[in-house]
Amino acid sequence: EPEVTQTPSHQVTQMGQEVILRCVPISNHLYFYWYRQILGQKVEFLVSFYNNEISEKSEIFDDQFSVERPDGSNFTLKIRSTKLEDSAMYFCASRARQDREQYFGPGTRLTVT
Amino acid sequence: AQSVTQLGSHVSVSEGALVLLRCNYSSSVPPYLFWYVQYPNQGLQLLLKYTSAATLVKGINGFEAEFKKSETSFHLTKPSAHMSDAAEYFCAVSDLYNQGGKLIFGQGTELSVKP
Repeated sequence: EPEVTQTPSHQVTQMGQEVILRCVPISNHLYFYWYRQILGQKVEFLVSFYNNEISEKSEIFDDQFSVERPDGSNFTLKIRSTKLEDSAMYFCASRARQDREQYFGPGTRLTVT
Repeated sequence: AQSVTQLGSHVSVSEGALVLLRCNYSSSVPPYLFWYVQYPNQGLQLLLKYTSAATLVKGINGFEAEFKKSETSFHLTKPSAHMSDAAEYFCAVSDLYNQGGKLIFGQGTELSVKP
């Protein structure tokens, strides 16, 4: 069964460093998403991406964040200068055009020290 | 704006007992509604979804949920809990007319199952 994959599973970085989180969505999906979950809190929407551009972003998704689909398979989330409060689990998700169901990857746990 | 409220951050049941996890939503447009399950150190797995067809929705692992528009609810139930059901459960809403289709999640309910 097709699945969304994410790498790395765990990333530790120092405050102020840039990180890139990678995702490979399901191959025939057209909509891509990033969500985050701070430990013990709910899952929060960050950004949605369709047709090679951002379709919607949340207040969390400020200028420090960017997304890219550099080729036909990868979907990346970049945080330019990480802060302690960026520590969270980051989930990538994708869906097909006709389906509202989003398929989630296993997540990347980002720890900023 | 859409929102989801899950009553009870932690629910504990005995094995074999009824599971009832509550979810109420707020939406100015017809919603799509979802229940996801998260096992420890894993991602989110879809349990079931409501997409404006049948109001009683059956999902995986014996779970089902009923959409009640008058009560703006989408509670999750399972007749008989199993130890393997212990996990975090999230209710989520999506806007029918928003093609972007972002999900708005509730706070989550942690389900514990006692032997």
